[in-house]
Amino acid sequence: NAGVMQNPRHLVRRRGQEARLRCSPMKGHSHVYWYRQLPEEGLKFMVYLQKENIIDESGMPKERFSAEFPKEGPSILRIQQVVRGDSAAYFCASSRVGLGGNTEAFFGQGTRLTVV
Amino acid sequence: AQSVTQPDIHITVSEGASLELRCNYSYGATPYLFWYVQSPGQGLQLLLKYFSGDTLVQGIKGFEAEFKRSQSSFNLRKPSVHWSDAAEYFCAVGGPTGGGNKLTFGTGTQLKVEL
Repeated sequence: NAGVMQNPRHLVRRRGQEARLRCSPMKGHSHVYWYRQLPEEGLKFMVYLQKENIIDESGMPKERFSAEFPKEGPSILRIQQVVRGDSAAYFCASSRVGLGGNTEAFFGQGTRLTVV
Repeated sequence: AQSVTQPDIHITVSEGASLELRCNYSYGATPYLFWYVQSPGQGLQLLLKYFSGDTLVQGIKGFEAEFKRSQSSFNLRKPSVHWSDAAEYFCAVGGPTGGGNKLTFGTGTQLKVEL
């Protein structure tokens, strides 16, 4: 049973370009969470999705960031017109049921975005 | 709002010594508590979790943690540290109410092990 798969592992973008980060949850998991980790900081919640629905996007910046989790295929975190401050590690996690229940989240290895 | 405080940013211990990493949380009800470990350039691996029941929780790699409601704490311990334990450790809180359906992380404790 493969774990949470994120790709790419490393992504370099020039300022103003778009970044697309992909996350395939564990088999049987329909709940996906995106977190951002800035240097020397902990993980900050961005968004929580179930298939075809955004459940909680309270941690998403209001502009340039969007996320989706389509019926088929991976979850995508999209950052438009990237700026240097977007440089961070982006982690995806998945769970079998929502984390309001007594379940655990499994994390991918992250995508490290560098904006030059 | 839920929050987690890890007061120690860096800790250095000698191999074979005991370890305790502190974690204090703020949550409006009985929390779900987690400890994760992150090696450089890697994702997060779950060490242990507390949902309910016995307040002393055993995890992988010889780690344990104790939930103390009166102190709002969930400290991580290991009796004898190995050099391979050097990593960053994150405490996280979640639960069914308030900010449920997401984990809130502390800022992490970087553990260095001296040989």
